[in-house]
Parts: sequence; C-alpha cells; structure tokens
Amino acid sequence: LAKTTQPISMDSYEGQEVNITCSHNNIATNDYITWYQQFPSQGPRFIIQGYKTKVTNEVASLFIPADRKSSTLSLPRVSLSDTAVYYCLVAAYGGATNKLIFGTGTLLAVQP
Amino acid sequence: EAQVTQNPRYLITVTGKKLTVTCSQNMNHEYMSWYRQDPGLGLRQIYYSMNVEVTDKGDVPEGYKVSRKEKRNFPLILESPSPNQTSLYFCASSSRSGGVTDTQYFGPGTRLTVL
Repeated sequence: LAKTTQPISMDSYEGQEVNITCSHNNIATNDYITWYQQFPSQGPRFIIQGYKTKVTNEVASLFIPADRKSSTLSLPRVSLSDTAVYYCLVAAYGGATNKLIFGTGTLLAVQP
Repeated sequence: EAQVTQNPRYLITVTGKKLTVTCSQNMNHEYMSWYRQDPGLGLRQIYYSMNVEVTDKGDVPEGYKVSRKEKRNFPLILESPSPNQTSLYFCASSSRSGGVTDTQYFGPGTRLTVL
C-alpha cells in the first residue's frame, strides 16, 4: 500500500482558494486517490476521487500530475464551514490487499 | 435513509471488562471495517471484512476481535479492554463493485474511555 504524507495543519481565510497536497511516492499502477473530509465529532465523508489528471465536482477539484506521486485537493473560496480534517487515501482497484491506510490528515482552519 | 449506525455512542468502562460495540449498515454493502482515531495519528484500520464470515486484520488489530455473521452487522469486541484502547472508534462500509476504492460510508463514532 502507498503511504501518504500530508501537512499536519493549514490556515486560511474565508474566500481564499486552498490547496492541500498529499505525497504518495510509491503509488502503484492500480491505486486510486481519494480525499475525505471530517468535521469534529463526525465520521469522514467522501469528497472526490481520481486516477490521473484533473477531476472536478461541485465541492472540489483534484489535480494529479503525470507521475502520480502527489495529488492536490483544491477548495475554491473556502468558508468557515470548510474547517475540518482532510484525509488523502491511496488504495488499489482490485489490488492484492483490501486494507486501507488513511494517514494522519490535514487540519484546515478557516478564519473570518 | 442509507446509513451506518454504531452503538453505544459513548462508553466509559474499566480495565478488563469485556465490551462490544455494534455496527450496522442498511446499504447491503459487502465491505465493512473498524477504525480508531487518536490525536496526531489519524485514522487507523483495526479490522475489515470483505463479506460474511470473511475478516482480516488491519494495521492495529491487537486487543480486538470482530465477527461477520450477517452482512449488515460487524461488531467490534474488546475481550479485556485496557486504557490504551481509549479512543474514538468508527465503523465504515462500502460496496465491492470498485474494490476498496469505493466510497467508504462512516458511522457517527463511538467514544470509548477505559479507566
């Protein structure tokens, strides 16, 4: 399984674009990259998933360079309600193991 | 409503007293798993199950047991809890159509304190 590395915390202000980068240097060919968001006292919830290039949905964008050794979650114009922990997960489609390793996550604090 | 439920939500117990945390999902998911969350350590998988009667160890299985007798239920058992098992526990489920890349649906969490 690819181990992921994220910044422990980030600060931002309302209205700014926030980019959170995750490093996964030993990502395998079958691995997908998924981001989850966790609010205090709640379980994580799915934000976005991608394999390569760029994926966009109504909540965020995910940028994955050609070598796939990192990925960047982009949150446009954050608000106070985006304050949460963000987890990057790398897991294989049809891989040899079905274990999931979430890592330590990034605490994003959005200030007024 | 599609959901994962856990009970109890809060539990305070003493060292050595066996306990069970229940987890149930109503989405007919094959994959279910348990995680513990501790400050600075993120989410760590304890056990997972690919389907009924199929369970396997995650990253931190020591001190825990699980069973999967029915598709919807995946209880977490602590035979002899110790203070280092004080943590926030999450159950999650997903379908298997995309393997483990499928969206994980998490329960609300169970905060366990072992004195």
